[in-house]
Amino acid sequence: KAGVTQTPRYLIKTRGQQVTLSCSPISGHRSVSWYQQTPGQGLQFLFEYFSETQRNKGNFPGRFSGRQFSNSRSEMNVSTLELGDSALYLCASKNMGAGYYGYTFGSGTRLTVV
Amino acid sequence: QQQVKQSPQSLIVQKGGISIINCAYENTAFDYFPWYQQFPGKGPALLIAIRPDVSEKKEGRFTISFNKSAKQFSLHIMDSQPGDSATYFCAAIGTGNQFYFGTGTSLTVIP
Repeated sequence: KAGVTQTPRYLIKTRGQQVTLSCSPISGHRSVSWYQQTPGQGLQFLFEYFSETQRNKGNFPGRFSGRQFSNSRSEMNVSTLELGDSALYLCASKNMGAGYYGYTFGSGTRLTVV
Repeated sequence: QQQVKQSPQSLIVQKGGISIINCAYENTAFDYFPWYQQFPGKGPALLIAIRPDVSEKKEGRFTISFNKSAKQFSLHIMDSQPGDSATYFCAAIGTGNQFYFGTGTSLTVIP
């Protein structure tokens, strides 16, 4: 059974640009959550999607947005990139019938803003 | 505001020793407390978890101790091995399924 797939694995962008990250959840998982991981702040929750609807949103500026498609694949977009957006972005998918045990993380996309 | 506070930030343990990582929380609505293990270049993977109606849970060499009145929980790794060297995150979850993670502990087990 394939795990959570995140693409690309690495990205280098220039300040002011925008970026789109992709996450393909485990087959059958309809919930997708996004996290930002930095050495100083640890794992910070960005948002969660279920059945193409955003269910929860963390405390991030509006430059961070996301969406989920009918096949449960999700994308995250960051506009007007800042140096502080450099981080590992993690996606996690969940089978809603599996309780809390069902979260599986991808390996992440490492974004570097220069 | 950090919902879950984790310590220490880094830990060095001799092979065969006991590794102990501590976490504290404030929100009494949290009802699930997992620990995640993360190796370089990988996402976090669920290691072990506990609910607040249990004071201890053991899985192999990994044990969670939970103190509901003190709002603290800890991970104990017995007989620590070099392969346990990784970053460990505690987390707490409540209504809404939102995870709140600790800031992580980098564990190094010296052969």
